[in-house]
Amino acid sequence: GENVEQHPSTLSVQEGDSAVIKCTYSDSASNYFPWYKQELGKGPQLIIDIRSNVGEKKDQRIAVTLNKTAKHFSLHITETQPEDSAVYFCAFMKTSYDKVIFGPGTSLSVIP
Amino acid sequence: GAVVSQHPSWVICKSGTSVKIECRSLDFQATTMFWYRQFPKQSLMLMATSNEGSKATYEQGVEKDKFLINHASLTLSTLTVTSAHPEDSSFYICSARGGLAGGLSYEQYFGPGTRLTVT
Repeated sequence: GENVEQHPSTLSVQEGDSAVIKCTYSDSASNYFPWYKQELGKGPQLIIDIRSNVGEKKDQRIAVTLNKTAKHFSLHITETQPEDSAVYFCAFMKTSYDKVIFGPGTSLSVIP
Repeated sequence: GAVVSQHPSWVICKSGTSVKIECRSLDFQATTMFWYRQFPKQSLMLMATSNEGSKATYEQGVEKDKFLINHASLTLSTLTVTSAHPEDSSFYICSARGGLAGGLSYEQYFGPGTRLTVT
């Protein structure tokens, strides 16, 4: 069935440190892996995504890595800032189902 | 970037009444729209997928007669919660995906959400 695990569920880091969030999916047919940031009371915002034919993608302080063999993908945030504090969701999509399935989320707190 | 709006941003209604939530894609045509539901401190749960001009596909466990979805145009989808009860109180979020020339876009753009409180 469709399932994605996300760890950790909560994460606190000091400003300037790096944060890493990891997800594991179960269906090898998954081919698109977006990451969303959700601030309190708002809708989720796409921050980076990766497709199954790519192993790594970077956008300024944010990077995503994908290991298709192990069915793992991770979000890396470097030089964290207080405004990075939010809930982060990994997600995946299977072309045949054409919908995005969300992980349980990670609450990130960046301490000034 | 693509913008999705929702209206209203919050609504309070009495038990037994119906409430309609609108989702609009403002600067692109959304061939597919999705409705999610989110309870406090939980993840987003997909309720249904709708394609313009056709009936919505509901996820298992979602009552199609209670949550009516209409995707009448390429820029508008509506979710109507019928005979609402306190347990329907939640944060409802829509998203939209448009098609690009030469292929389908993977990206889903999310609205700001609608907070429904049923008293």
